[in-house]
Amino acid sequence: EVQLVQSGAEVKKPGESLKISCKGSGYSFTTYWIGWVRQMPGKGLEWMGIIYPGDSDTRYSPSFQGQVTISADKSISTAYLQWSSLKASDTAMYYCARFEDGNYYFDYWGQGTLVTVSS
Amino acid sequence: QSALTQPPSASGSPGQSVTISCTGTSSDVGGYNYVSWYHQHPGKAPKLMIYEVSKRPSGVPDRFSGSKSGNTASLTVSGLQAEDEADYYCSSYAGSDNPWVFGGGTKLTVL
Repeated sequence: EVQLVQSGAEVKKPGESLKISCKGSGYSFTTYWIGWVRQMPGKGLEWMGIIYPGDSDTRYSPSFQGQVTISADKSISTAYLQWSSLKASDTAMYYCARFEDGNYYFDYWGQGTLVTVSS
Repeated sequence: QSALTQPPSASGSPGQSVTISCTGTSSDVGGYNYVSWYHQHPGKAPKLMIYEVSKRPSGVPDRFSGSKSGNTASLTVSGLQAEDEADYYCSSYAGSDNPWVFGGGTKLTVL
């Protein structure tokens, strides 16, 4: 069974750093892309960036370029999304999801990680 | 402002059909057959319902169907059931520089 299991909810202060994770199982982690999608409270979905764990090829949405860093450790089938200095506006639910190269839809999603940034 | 335009709400009674539209441009919806639809129940992750305009993943009931005409894609839910009540999001490939665009979402209410 394909599963993407994300790390738990986080509460942080503005200016702090954070790294959240997404562990894949039930499939070949290195042969599917992992994407990160933001959902701000009461709002829609926004793609942030993608990574191919097989070779760490990473692409960012223009809206998120320079704001976050996406990485992966294929030895433990885990992708990461990190911030160096959080802002209150980063408060959102973050989802990881996978897609197959050449396909442009996300077929499996993680359960989401809620990030709350508040002083 | 989302790149794709969806109506904020839609509704129908059990057993009826409802269609949700998703309007983009020739650079996304109209330019590629890579429209997908997701539904999201409150507090849950999105789930893929339709991909490549009209294909259904395994396990998705055939009550869900997708189509496209020009720059507008549509999702039709036939034989509405209570569990269909959810938020629905469309998405389209939009080129290699910015591959995904999403719609703002449509809240489907089963009356």
